[in-house]
Amino acid sequence: AQSVAQPEDQVNVAEGNPLTVKCTYSVSGNPYLFWYVQYPNRGLQFLLKYITGDNLVKGSYGFEAEFNKSQTSFHLKKPSALVSDSALYFCAVRPQEGSSNTGKLIFGQGTTLQVKP
Amino acid sequence: EAGVVQSPRYKIIEKKQPVAFWCNPISGHNTLYWYLQNLGQGPELLIRYENEEAVDDSQLPKDRFSAERLKGVDSTLKIQPAELGDSAVYLCASSAGSSYNEQFFGPGTRLTVL
Repeated sequence: AQSVAQPEDQVNVAEGNPLTVKCTYSVSGNPYLFWYVQYPNRGLQFLLKYITGDNLVKGSYGFEAEFNKSQTSFHLKKPSALVSDSALYFCAVRPQEGSSNTGKLIFGQGTTLQVKP
Repeated sequence: EAGVVQSPRYKIIEKKQPVAFWCNPISGHNTLYWYLQNLGQGPELLIRYENEEAVDDSQLPKDRFSAERLKGVDSTLKIQPAELGDSAVYLCASSAGSSYNEQFFGPGTRLTVL
């Protein structure tokens, strides 16, 4: 079965410290990988994506993510956390063209990031 | 540029009543998605449209759920009759072109079934 796992329900970091939100996936073929952020009572906002090429992708608000094919991971990172980064983060995978799930995003269960002053 | 618009934002109904949600995607986006998001979980796809054609409705409970996108722009998702377990947030998203383009999400409709 194709799936995405975010092993941590919540991540707590102090403002100014680096943060990592973990994501691993299990899909057939080479996937497209995405990170979204959700603030209270708002829709999901796109942060970044990996399609092909450089394993380190940079996105909005200073976030970046590293694709690791051997570990089937796509961890979200930021060198210096801000209090305003506190939100719910979702990792998602889209199996590549040719699979039966073309076009479908499979989401993880989400990780709440809490950045404390 | 306006984002994905959804209405209503909140809806409270009694079980067995019908309910409908409306979505207006970003202009020019040919692909439209309806997702269901339960509390504390990630969104799950209900149906995906390419223009006016439903190309993936395998997760849509067709005994009570229906959707349409008659002119390939706006879309309506309906539940009839609603059940207590349908209480959730219903998200609409749209994207342009190929599958590596990101999806843009609306704010969602929070449904409460009493």
